[in-house]
Formats: sequence, structure tokens, C-alpha cells
Amino acid sequence: GENVEQHPSTLSVQEGDSAVIKCTYSDSASNYFPWYKQELGKGPQLIIDIRSNVGEKKDQRIAVTLNKTAKHFSLHITETQPEDSAVYFCAASIGSGGGADGLTFGKGTHLIIQP
Amino acid sequence: DAGVIQSPRHEVTEMGQEVTLRCKPISGHNSLFWYRQTMMRGLELLIYFNNNVPIDDSGMPEDRFSAKMPNASFSTLKIQPSEPRDSAVYFCASSTHLNTEAFFGQGTRLTVV
Repeated sequence: GENVEQHPSTLSVQEGDSAVIKCTYSDSASNYFPWYKQELGKGPQLIIDIRSNVGEKKDQRIAVTLNKTAKHFSLHITETQPEDSAVYFCAASIGSGGGADGLTFGKGTHLIIQP
Repeated sequence: DAGVIQSPRHEVTEMGQEVTLRCKPISGHNSLFWYRQTMMRGLELLIYFNNNVPIDDSGMPEDRFSAKMPNASFSTLKIQPSEPRDSAVYFCASSTHLNTEAFFGQGTRLTVV
């Protein structure tokens, strides 16, 4: 089955600096790569996703890059703010048009924004 | 829409007791997922349904775990008998048939003592 590795487990950055979280996956058939943000006591919430036919996607301060050859993808957050502090999860799945598939998650990155 | 609704939010039970977790997916969503979150193992997919039919239950840890989806608006995850190692946060998520974005509920924190 799919295996997703995520690094680092904890990341501390100064407010206003950039943060980068990296993930690798094992199954070359995976073609859907979402990123979720989880705040304390809440369920994970999708912040951005990318599909295998795209190399990069950006949404305001958040961007995701995908390298299918190397089987890795990364989350980039620029101009970090205190409200960005949370746990971030990458995930992979073989998403298909015929029905949704389950996600395999990385172990998570605790992002701490220092004021 | 109110989002994915899970109940109860917290459950404390004694070892050996039966536990039933409940989930109401977002109206119109055709896929439903049950995940378990622990510090040691992170977020694990237990089982998922498409159009109320279980598709993959390979993540269900043991026969003590069972899940049902009797209709499009309700699902249950049952543990019988419960054990202390089942203590975790259990999440239900749903998504539309053609869109793989999964919307998560608030979770049920289960403690087995």
C-alpha cells in the first residue's frame, strides 16, 4: 500500500518568514495530493491540493509543488502569521472520477510561529 | 450546511464495553470515511464507503471493529468489546462522488479505561 513520509515533525519560524514542509510517497499510481491543517480540538481542514497533471499550485500565501519523478511534494507558506500555527498533514490517494478513495496521511508537522 | 456531524464528542467507557460512534455526512456526499488518530500512528484510514457500500475495510484493526452505513445520511463505527488501546480520536469524513476533497467532522475522543 501507499506510504507517506513527512518532514520535519516540528518546525519553528519567526513571524513573517517562510515555512516549508516536505513529503514523499511510495505508490507511483497516486495522483491526488492534498494538504490539511488541524487546529487543537478540531478535525483536519483542507488548505490546498494538487493533482498529478500539475507541477505547482498557489493560493495567496500558500503554494504546493509536486515532482512526480522523484515522488515528492512540498508545502510552502510565505509571510507566516500567528494564525498559521497548527499541525499540517500531507496526504496521497489514487483519486478517481468514479468515486473518492481513502487518503494515506503523513505523520504531521507541528508548525510554530514565533512572534 | 452544518458540515459532518459526529456524536458523541467525548466518550469514556470501561474495558469490555460496547462503544458506538455516529456520523452524519454532508448532504449530497456519496463517500464516507472513518479515520483514527493517535500520537503514535497518526491518522489512519479504517474503512470507507461509496454510495453506502463498504469499499475498503483493510484498515479495520480487528474483528472487534465494525462499521455500517444503512443510508446516505448515517454511519456507525462500533467497537465490541473495547480495549484501552482503542483510546484515540475517531474522525468521520465525507466527500462528493467526483471531488476527492474530504470534509472532516470534529471527531469523537474515545477513552477506554
